[in-house]
Amino acid sequence: KQEVTQIPAALSVPEGENLVLNCSFTDSAIYNLQWFRQDPGKGLTSLLLIQSSQREQTSGRLNASLDKSSGRSTLYIAASQPGDSATYLCAVRPGGGFKTIFGAGTRLFVKA
Amino acid sequence: SQTIHQWPATLVQPVGSPLSLECTVEGTSNPNLYWYRQAAGRGLQLLFYSIGIDQISSEVPQNLSASRPQDRQFILSSKKLLLSDSGFYLCAWSVRASGGNEQFFGPGTRLTVL
Repeated sequence: KQEVTQIPAALSVPEGENLVLNCSFTDSAIYNLQWFRQDPGKGLTSLLLIQSSQREQTSGRLNASLDKSSGRSTLYIAASQPGDSATYLCAVRPGGGFKTIFGAGTRLFVKA
Repeated sequence: SQTIHQWPATLVQPVGSPLSLECTVEGTSNPNLYWYRQAAGRGLQLLFYSIGIDQISSEVPQNLSASRPQDRQFILSSKKLLLSDSGFYLCAWSVRASGGNEQFFGPGTRLTVL
C-alpha cells in the first residue's frame, strides 16, 4: 500500500531564505509525482508535475526533484517571500490506476 | 484555457438532510473527473473518479454517491447527511489518457453538517 509522508509538518523561515520541503513514498512504482500549493480555505494550485521518467522540474523559483529508487522528492524554494506562505502538498500517482495518494502537507510561513 | 467551477462555496446543512454539490469544467473535452474530501487535520481522500459519462468508481464505502450526467459535469450527492460528512470537498480534472497527467482542482465547497 502506497503511503506518502511529508517532513516537516510546519516550517517558519525569514524572508529571503532558500528552503527545502521533503516528500517520501513507500512504493517506487509510480506514474508521476505532483506538488501543490494550498492557501487557507482555498483549492489546490498545481506547482510542478514530475513524470516517473524525469529527475526534476523547474518553474521560476521552484525546483522539484524525484528519486524513485529511494522513494523521495524534494521541493526547493529559492529566495522565499511572504507570499509563499501556504501549505504545500505532495501527491503520488501509483502505476496502473487513477487513485492519487496525498501527503498531509507542510505548512510554510515566511516572515517579512 | 480550462476552468473548473464548484458550487456552492459554503453550505451548512442539518443531519439527515440531502446534499447536492456540483462541479463543471470548461475548455476541455472528455476529462477524467474526481471528487476529494479534505477533513480537518487529515489529508485529501479520493472519494470518486470518473473516466466518462456514467462511468464512476468509488474509492471508499460511504453514504455519498456521484453522478456524471454530462461530459463536463460531476455531481456529489447524499440522501441523508451525517455529522462525519463535514469537510472541504474538492473537485478535480485531468486530461483523459493512460496515467501521467496533471490534476487541476476547483475552489472547493466547505460543508458543515450540524
